Formats: sequence, C-alpha cells, structure tokens
Amino acid sequence: DTEVTQTPKHLVMGMTNKKSLKCEQHMGHRAMYWYKQKAKKPPELMFVYSYEKLSINESVPSRFSPECPNSSLLNLHLHALQPEDSALYLCASSQGTLGARSTDTQYFGPGTRLTVL
Amino acid sequence: AQTVTQSQPEMSVQEAETVTLSCTYDTSENNYYLFWYKQPPSRQMILVIRQEAYKQQNATENRFSVNFQKAAKSFSLKISDSQLGDTAMYFCAFMKQGGSQGNLIFGKGTKLSVKP
Repeated sequence: DTEVTQTPKHLVMGMTNKKSLKCEQHMGHRAMYWYKQKAKKPPELMFVYSYEKLSINESVPSRFSPECPNSSLLNLHLHALQPEDSALYLCASSQGTLGARSTDTQYFGPGTRLTVL
Repeated sequence: AQTVTQSQPEMSVQEAETVTLSCTYDTSENNYYLFWYKQPPSRQMILVIRQEAYKQQNATENRFSVNFQKAAKSFSLKISDSQLGDTAMYFCAFMKQGGSQGNLIFGKGTKLSVKP
C-alpha cells in the first residue's frame, strides 16, 4: 500500500484566518515532505521532516509552520497568508533511508487546493 | 547543480497508439535515480516508473517503459496502447543517490492528451 492521505481536499481562507493542513501515512515511512505547486508548474519543496525532526526548510515564510507530531502525521499550520499563497499543497512520504543503494522514492498524497481571499 | 529538461510542453496521441515523452538531464553524478510521475486532472502525483542509473536494463511497468541512455543523459518514457486515463501532466524527476532527503529535481512537465 502506497497511500498518503491529505485533508481537507479544498480550503478557502481569508488573510486573517488560521487553518491547518493534515497529512497522514501508514507505510512506516520516516521522511515526510510538504510541496507547493502552482498551476502548470512542477512541485516546489517547502519542508522535509526526517525521523520527526525538521531537516530542510527551503526559506519558506514564517506564515507557514510545519509540525510533525509523530512518524505518521504531518501538519502545515497557516496564518496570515497572502493571495499569492493560493496553490495546491502536496504532501509526500518516503522510507527515509539513505543507504548506498537507497532509492528513497517519494509517494504523494492527493493534495489540498488552497485559495486565499 | 542538476537540471532536468522536458522539451515538449504539450503532446497528444490517439487512443491505442504509442507515444514517447522526452526527458534529458544534466549531472556530474555517476549514481542517481530517475523517475516519471503522472499528475492527472485529479491532481494526485502518481509514480509511474523509476530507473536506477547503475542498471543497464530499461525499467518497464505494464504499458509504460523507459529508454535510458546514460551517456546521452536521456530518459524518455514510452506509453503503449494509450488509454483515455493516461491523459495527465507527466513530470520527469532526478534524485542523486545518497543525497539529502527532498533532493528530487523535477522537469517542467509535459501535458499529454489522449484523444478518442
């Protein structure tokens, strides 16, 4: 099973709202990722968690705050977003192993379509 | 730095025919992995096929196969017996072996339309 789930599917929020995106996987993966994807563009990496610790933050504004409560869950807390933050937010997970022959293939969730008014 | 280039922004194919999507990459690494991901209008990014650079044999998954030319740094995807459900954006991606997590570099994508 290579299933990553994300909720909600769609989210509309105002610039003063606080909301959260949720991602869950039950594949025993130890690395989880947040990507932002604009229309007709490839995904852009935002954050990487490895063994529940933040390992990569790609200079993302502080209005995006990731959280990894346990190895199966990944949240993205949103506050004071701008209209340009409207996008598809994708979560992915991978085994998290970095051995000499490790592929560490990433498996993606269905995404949350975020609209900021 | 590695780069991935997909030179065909859009392609179309008739149902049941064969189509090939192009991907080239630039790297100084010798050990790496290449992927094709499919993203249909439903938005989910789905892994189609992956290739380990150390393997000479081209990867195959049912109707999907790759032509991996390591010396030419080329990694094309062939879809045989195209189906309407193959309509999607296809992204080619590169990952360095043993690199840090998140080191997945995408091309800009090719939008494939399968026509009945």
